[in-house]
This record gives sequence, structure tokens and C-alpha cells, in this order.
Amino acid sequence: GQQVMQIPQYQHVQEGEDFTTYCNSSTTLSNIQWYKQRPGGHPVFLIQLVKSGEVKKQKRLTFQFGEAKKNSSLHITATQTTDVGTYFCAGRTQGGSEKLVFGKGTKLTVNP
Amino acid sequence: IAGITQAPTSQILAAGRRMTLRCTQDMRHNAMYWYRQDLGLGLRLIHYSNTAGTTGKGEVPDGYSVSRANTDDFPLTLASAVPSQTSVYFCASSVEAGNTEAFFGQGTRLTVV
Repeated sequence: GQQVMQIPQYQHVQEGEDFTTYCNSSTTLSNIQWYKQRPGGHPVFLIQLVKSGEVKKQKRLTFQFGEAKKNSSLHITATQTTDVGTYFCAGRTQGGSEKLVFGKGTKLTVNP
Repeated sequence: IAGITQAPTSQILAAGRRMTLRCTQDMRHNAMYWYRQDLGLGLRLIHYSNTAGTTGKGEVPDGYSVSRANTDDFPLTLASAVPSQTSVYFCASSVEAGNTEAFFGQGTRLTVV
């Protein structure tokens, strides 16, 4: 079945450092979504990418969708303690079912 | 507007007992989902429903059943709970299946002893 792999599983940074998490799919995706889950909370939608090669920015966050629509990345510039949480990518297979399959997430901790 | 509501918030359940986790949304979303979240395993899809009256199996459906009698409600039933079903359960909904933003409930923490 469809698999969405996400690396790294954990990332620990000093405040002010950059952070990147990567998402790879075994099959072509029709879209990719990113979610953030704060400790003890529930996942909250950040963004959706649909087009091949698409790049979107939200303040210090930059999201990319690969040209082949099989990979994606989330980059945070100059992390802050408010960035702490687990970041998930979720993808839907192109031409497949409507299910949204999540990666295992990257847990980010930030040292002040 | 409440959005999406799950009940109970937490539960301790004896093995072998039957349990229904409730999920209600007031956004008139067509699609609803149940995920379980376990440490190191991320969010795994249990069952989903693309529209009222239809349901489908996700990655880990065994031991669980769902129904979607109407648009708003999507209960998840554990027929005979086992300790491996100890987890945090999240219900989610979206306007359409898979290609629109998913809204998550606050989660149900279930412990099977």
C-alpha cells in the first residue's frame, strides 16, 4: 500500500538554528499536506501543496513539493521555542483512494 | 461553532469489554477519519468515510468497526478491547476526502488493562 516516509524522526536544535524535515512517498502523490502537533495537543493543518515543484512560504516556514510529486520538505528558518512540536506530512496517492496517509512525523525540540 | 468533538476525553477499559468512541462534527464535512497515535508510529488510519452511508478500511482496521449513519457522527467501536489497543485516538473530518484540510478532534486517550 501507499507509504509515506518521513525523516528525521527526532531533531534537537538550539534556538536560532534552522530545521528541515523531509517526506518521501513510494508513489506519486496528488497533493501533500503538512500538520503541526504541539505536545499534548492534536494535529493542526499548516498547508497543502498540489503542483509539481510548488514552493509556499508562511513567515519562517518554507514548504516544497518535488518535481516528481514524490517528495516534500518543510524548512524552518531561525527556530523559536514556539516551533516545538511534531511535524507531520500527509499525502494522497494520485489516481488512488481518497485516503490521507500520514508520515510518522518529526519531533522538534528547541533549546532556548 | 464546536467544530469536531470527541468523547470521552480519556477512558480506562478492562480487556474484553466493548467500547464506543464518539465523534461529532458540525461543519457538514463529507469525509471523516479515525486515526490512532502511538509513540514512534505516528498517525495510523483505522477507518474512514468519504460520505454518509459509506465506510472504508485504513491501515489498521482489525478489532475496530465504524458506522456513518449521518453526516455529523462517526463512532468507532472496539468490540472486545485488548491491551494493544491502548492508544490515543483522533477523529478528523474534511470537506472532501484527502484533498482538503483535515480538522482534528482533541483526541481520546484509551487505556486497556
